This record gives sequence, C-alpha cells and structure tokens, in this order.
Amino acid sequence: AQSVTQLDSQVPVFEEAPVELRCNYSSSVSVYLFWYVQYPNQGLQLLLKYLSGSTLVKGINGFEAEFNKSQTSFHLRKPSVHISDTAEYFCAVTSNTGGFKTIFGAGTRLFVKA
Amino acid sequence: EAQVTQNPRYLITVTGKKLTVTCSQNMNHEYMSWYRQDPGLGLRQIYYSMNVEVTDKGDVPEGYKVSRKEKRNFPLILESPSPNQTSLYFCASSLFTGRRTEAFFGQGTRLTVV
Repeated sequence: AQSVTQLDSQVPVFEEAPVELRCNYSSSVSVYLFWYVQYPNQGLQLLLKYLSGSTLVKGINGFEAEFNKSQTSFHLRKPSVHISDTAEYFCAVTSNTGGFKTIFGAGTRLFVKA
Repeated sequence: EAQVTQNPRYLITVTGKKLTVTCSQNMNHEYMSWYRQDPGLGLRQIYYSMNVEVTDKGDVPEGYKVSRKEKRNFPLILESPSPNQTSLYFCASSLFTGRRTEAFFGQGTRLTVV
C-alpha cells in the first residue's frame, strides 16, 4: 500500500531565507507526485507535479521539487521565501495501479517571519 | 472561470439532523471526490465518483452518502451527523485521463456537529 510522509509538521523560517519541505513516499510501482498549497481559509491549489521526464520540476511562485526514485523522495524547495508563502503545503502521490486514488501527506505548515 | 463551488462554507448543526453539502464544477470533469481534513491527518478521501451514476468508497466512508446524478454535481450527505464528523470538508474534481492529472479543489466547508 502506498503512503506519504511529510517529515516536518511545522517549518518556521525568516523572510528571504531558503526553505526545504520534505516528502517521502512508499510505493512499489510507478508514481505521479504533486505538491499542493493551502492558504488560510482556502482550498488546495496545485504548486507543481512530476509525471515523468526530468526529475527537477519547477512550479508556481518560484517553488521547485526534485524527484529522487532511489530515495523515494519529492522534496519541495524555494531559494528565498516571502511572507506571502506562509501556508500549509501538502505532498500527494498517485500510483499507477488499479483504482484512482491519491494519497495525501499530513501537511507541513510553513511560517515565514519578518 | 474554472472552479469547484461548495456550499455552505460554514455549518453548525446538531447531532442527528440530516444535512447536505453541495459541490458543483464547471470544467466538465469526469472524476469528483470528497475529502475531510483533520489536524495531523492531512486529507482523507471519503467517496469518489468516476462518472455519472458511478460512485465508490474512499478511505473513511462511514456515516456519509453521495450521489452523482449529473456530471457537474456531487453532493455529500450526512444522514445522521455525529460530533466525530466535525471537520473541514473539500470537494475536488479532475479530468479522468488515467492518474496523471491534478485535482481542483473547492473552498471548503467547515462543519461543526454539536
């Protein structure tokens, strides 16, 4: 069975500092990987996705993520964060098996401080 | 504008009083699903639908019902709500082109059962 682990529940960081939000997954088959962002009192919206091809994926708002198959990871990075990046971030995995199911991680709350 | 619309955004109800949360999408998506979001647990799928009149249970279906009579609508029904169903609920839709597509989320419905 597939699962998704977001290793940090909260990440505080100062404005303009770099940040990495970690995500590990377990699946024995090919996977598709997503990062979503949830701003306060809003639904989730897609930041970026990995389907195939280049393992470095660029998304909106200056975020990028790298798919590492050997380490089963899909960490999200941004070289310089802004106050407006304060939000909750969810890693999600969909596997190439029967049934259309996406598994979400528990979320990482990013706090950007001035 | 492409969107998923949920109503109501906030709802307080009493134990046992039947309620319906509506969800509508204007993107002609085949696949729709309901999630609940609880602190530390991320998003858990309640029910999903691959097309009109095709629905199936997700990971936490107990106490919920759904129907899909039209492609655009996917209401969530709580026949006899209980306090453990107090949660933040999200409806999502996506194109059913295998498992490679991202989900579009509604704004969420915060339900409190007293």
